Amino acid sequence: NAGVTQTPKFQVLKTGQSMTLQCAQDMNHEYMSWYRQDPGMGLRLIHYSVGAGITDQGEVPNGYNVSRSTTEDFPLRLLSAAPSQTSVYFCASQRDRVVETQYFGPGTRLLVL
Amino acid sequence: AQKITQTQPGMFVQEKEAVTLDCTYDTSDQSYGLFWYKQPSSGEMIFLIYQGSYDEQNATEGRYSLNFQKARKSANLVISASQLGDSAMYFCAITGYSTLTFGKGTMLLVSP
Repeated sequence: NAGVTQTPKFQVLKTGQSMTLQCAQDMNHEYMSWYRQDPGMGLRLIHYSVGAGITDQGEVPNGYNVSRSTTEDFPLRLLSAAPSQTSVYFCASQRDRVVETQYFGPGTRLLVL
Repeated sequence: AQKITQTQPGMFVQEKEAVTLDCTYDTSDQSYGLFWYKQPSSGEMIFLIYQGSYDEQNATEGRYSLNFQKARKSANLVISASQLGDSAMYFCAITGYSTLTFGKGTMLLVSP
């Protein structure tokens, strides 16, 4: 049982490049979320999903796309990276709507030059 | 919309002393949950403690306790007998619909 895994751990992009941050969980959780963490800002919700095929926007969705084709995977896509997207990205999952415990992945550090 | 306010950017405590990290919240939901997470310098988010809005007793987990005062909308974290390994960022969070809203965090430094 690996929990929530994220790849890559580190990534450097040039402005305008695209990339996908991968997130997978093996706990059969229905709910998955993406957060970004910036200095002094805490974690802010980008997108979330309440099940395969269902996604919705969070607080800061602009510049990011998501899809949920399987229960296990919830990739985050940056279509045209900008320096403002330099951040640490966390993926999280939970069993159901009752958020008693949300499991976080180890994070992906992204630098956009 | 939910909101979490953590007014202490940094806190200092000596080893073996108790420390209280403040958290106030705002929500229009009748049912909600409050969380505290620890983030050490290595970066991972570590779940510490959870309090449901209908729980009558304050939550405790080992050296961590949550001082829940519903009328004041506060959910302070109390760490008893601080240890050097407690030095980290601490985040308070509140449930939304299946997601969490976080505060900006408090940096705790424990000195020998």
